[in-house]
Amino acid sequence: EPEVTQTPSHQVTQMGQEVILRCVPISNHLYFYWYRQILGQKVEFLVSFYNNEISEKSEIFDDQFSVERPDGSNFTLKIRSTKLEDSAMYFCASSGGGPGYNEQFFGPGTRLTVL
Amino acid sequence: AQTVTQSQPEMSVQEAETVTLSCTYDTSESDYYLFWYKQPPSRQMILVIRQEAYKQQNATENRFSVNFQKAAKSFSLKISDSQLGDAAMYFCALANNDMRFGAGTRLTVKP
Repeated sequence: EPEVTQTPSHQVTQMGQEVILRCVPISNHLYFYWYRQILGQKVEFLVSFYNNEISEKSEIFDDQFSVERPDGSNFTLKIRSTKLEDSAMYFCASSGGGPGYNEQFFGPGTRLTVL
Repeated sequence: AQTVTQSQPEMSVQEAETVTLSCTYDTSESDYYLFWYKQPPSRQMILVIRQEAYKQQNATENRFSVNFQKAAKSFSLKISDSQLGDAAMYFCALANNDMRFGAGTRLTVKP
């Protein structure tokens, strides 16, 4: 069964450093998403991406965040200068159609720890 | 703005019994979709069930069913014949142009 994969599973970084979280969506999917879940809190939408551009972003997704699909398979989330409050689980998801009806398939997540 | 509220931080149920998890939402959109996701300790997000807002008939997936009350903006999840493997966090979500999640309900299943 096809699945979304994410690397690394756990990333530890120093405050102020840049991190890149990687995701490989399901191969025939067209819509890609990043979510964040601070420990013990709800899952929060960050951004959706379609046709090589951002289609929606939340108020959390400020200038320190960026997304990219550098090739035909990877979908990355870059955090330019990490802050302590960026420590969270980051989930990538993909769907075959838009974010409405279509099921979003989630990856296993990357746990980001900022020291 | 779209919001999703889950008023039960924790629920427990006896194995084989039935439990209902509550969810209310608010949106100004007329076309939207509602989901319940399960997050076990592994933290993987797993779709349990979904409902199209334009459909009056409540969605059902095996032991899982919803009670969708559009006028009341309510979307509860009923789990019948609860099993130990149902123990997890359950998140209600509302999707239109993006997806918004509730705060979650932690379900414990007692043997």
